[in-house]
Amino acid sequence: DAKTTQPPSMDCAEGRAANLPCNHSTISGNEYVYWYRQIHSQGPQYIIHGLKNNETNEMASLIITEDRKSSTLILPHATLRDTAVYYCIVSLSILNSGYSTLTFGKGTMLLVSP
Amino acid sequence: DTGVSQDPRHKITKRGQNVTFRCDPISEHNRLYWYRQTLGQGPEFLTYFQNEAQLEKSRLLSDRFSAERPKGSFSTLEIQRTEQGDSAMYLCASSLGRDAFFGQGTRLTVV
Repeated sequence: DAKTTQPPSMDCAEGRAANLPCNHSTISGNEYVYWYRQIHSQGPQYIIHGLKNNETNEMASLIITEDRKSSTLILPHATLRDTAVYYCIVSLSILNSGYSTLTFGKGTMLLVSP
Repeated sequence: DTGVSQDPRHKITKRGQNVTFRCDPISEHNRLYWYRQTLGQGPEFLTYFQNEAQLEKSRLLSDRFSAERPKGSFSTLEIQRTEQGDSAMYLCASSLGRDAFFGQGTRLTVV
């Protein structure tokens, strides 16, 4: 699986958009970009994933650059409960490999302040 | 609650003892994963089941570790002769498609 690079920490004011960057310059054509987050003392929570196109769900938006070498997770209106470690992961498509093990890095610690 | 359930949530054991953890996946999910997470690190993959078959094991899974998933439903992870280095959060996840859902984990402390 391709390796990802994320800033170790970021700050965001409550109510503002949080934009979390991720570099994955060695991503291959059949690898998906996944985002998970982990709130203190809880298991990781799935947020969103994408292959080429931008994706949006009720939690966040995922913007993937045209060359797929980087992506940005956007939390449009951050709340205090969004304080967590955010992990960007690239992994083989389930359809190609039959399953996918996630390789987590250290992620980005996002602190949302009042 | 229809999420992934893990039991116990916390376990303190003496070095050398055996421990067993249980994971109940989301009912229709055929894929089940075990991960381990130490302080300040992201989760690390340990092993993967598709239904009852264990299809992949990480090199992190020494011969003191064994996992089972009888009948393709719940899974157990056993650690024999625990060592202090086994202290970690043990996470279970299940999936049917591209996204995996994690349980709250079992925090193991070996003293």
